[in-house]
Amino acid sequence: AQSVSQHNHHVILSEAASLELGCNYSYGGTVNLFWYVQYPGQHLQLLLKYFSGDPLVKGIKGFEAEFIKSKFSFNLRKPSVQWSDTAEYFCAVLMYNNNDMRFGAGTRLTVKP
Amino acid sequence: KAGVTQTPRYLIKTRGQQVTLSCSPISGHRSVSWYQQTPGQGLQFLFEYFSETQRNKGNFPGRFSGRQFSNSRSEMNVSTLELGDSALYLCASREDRGQGYGYTFGSGTRLTVV
Repeated sequence: AQSVSQHNHHVILSEAASLELGCNYSYGGTVNLFWYVQYPGQHLQLLLKYFSGDPLVKGIKGFEAEFIKSKFSFNLRKPSVQWSDTAEYFCAVLMYNNNDMRFGAGTRLTVKP
Repeated sequence: KAGVTQTPRYLIKTRGQQVTLSCSPISGHRSVSWYQQTPGQGLQFLFEYFSETQRNKGNFPGRFSGRQFSNSRSEMNVSTLELGDSALYLCASREDRGQGYGYTFGSGTRLTVV
């Protein structure tokens, strides 16, 4: 069965530290890839997406992600986190052939001021 | 455009009861999906509707059902509620016109079963 794995359940960083959150999926067909963020008490918001072209995509608030097709990975990165980045981050994969969109279990990021 | 609207925002029900949740997608979005969000489990896919037809279904028991109307509004029903059904239920819609269209989420309905 298709699945999306986020390896880090909870990440704690100090402000200005660099961030990388892992995401791997198991599906051999064409995919669209997404990262969503859920700030405390708020609804899910799209951070960035990849569907074709340059595998390095840039999103809002300084986030970027790189699609590595050979590794079935779509890791999220930010060079320098801020306290306001404290949130839960979800990786999502849309399997293009069947329009099935699955999410990872989420990674909670806590940024200490 | 108005966002995805879910009603009600909060619900408290007792075991054995049934509940209906409502979702109004963004105007023009014909694909509507439902997810269950619980701490530690992330978002579990319930089902997706497109043009009034269920297109995909997750691994939930038959107590969970849904439907979509001609105006793309969708409802989700859970019968014979169990304590474990307590969760945030999210509805999401998208344009479904090819690659690159992600979901826009509503704020969710928080269901508590007592």
